[in-house]
Amino acid sequence: NAGVTQTPKFQVLKTGQSMTLQCAQDMNHNSMYWYRQDPGMGLRLIYYSASEGTTDKGEVPNGYNVSRLNKREFSLRLESAAPSQTSVYFCASRFGTGRTSSNQPQHFGDGTRLSIL
Amino acid sequence: AQKVTQAQTEISVVEKEDVTLDCVYETRDTTYYLFWYKQPPSGELVFLIRRNSFDEQNEISGRYSWNFQKSTSSFNFTITASQVVDSAVYFCALSGLTGGGNKLTFGTGTQLKVEL
Repeated sequence: NAGVTQTPKFQVLKTGQSMTLQCAQDMNHNSMYWYRQDPGMGLRLIYYSASEGTTDKGEVPNGYNVSRLNKREFSLRLESAAPSQTSVYFCASRFGTGRTSSNQPQHFGDGTRLSIL
Repeated sequence: AQKVTQAQTEISVVEKEDVTLDCVYETRDTTYYLFWYKQPPSGELVFLIRRNSFDEQNEISGRYSWNFQKSTSSFNFTITASQVVDSAVYFCALSGLTGGGNKLTFGTGTQLKVEL
């Protein structure tokens, strides 16, 4: 019963390097999300995908791209990593889409701790 | 716009004390949903409870209880007889129909430390 799986769990990058964070869910959820968590700032939404084939910007999308590869997988890419992107990244999924999902809790992966030097 | 405020950044209590974590929210939606999540030191986010805007009945689950008051836009979380295992960061979150209902807005979290 894996739920939401994120890889890798830890990564250290140098400034300017690129990186893709992977996320997969096995709950047949339509909606998927990427957040970053920084001290004192809670979780901030980077991008989300309300359904397969659609993606939308969240609160802090600059410097990131996403791909909803299929219903299960939603990846987050840093094209040219910057120290300001040092953070813990969480992927989440939720049953339903749009208004039908607003009453559903999001289920989170264990996070990816990313450090950029 | 939706907003969730958790004014208490950090709370320290001694084991067996009761503790209340405050959550105040803002939304223009008439239908919305409130959530609490727990993030223990291991880092994962654990869903605790959901409450919808048209059900103000308080809820109790073991040592946990939640008090939802629409009149004050608050959804507070009380732990009775706290234990060391309750030490974690607790997040309150809001989901409404604004923006198509897709987004969950989080507060900045309250770090709870329970000491022996």
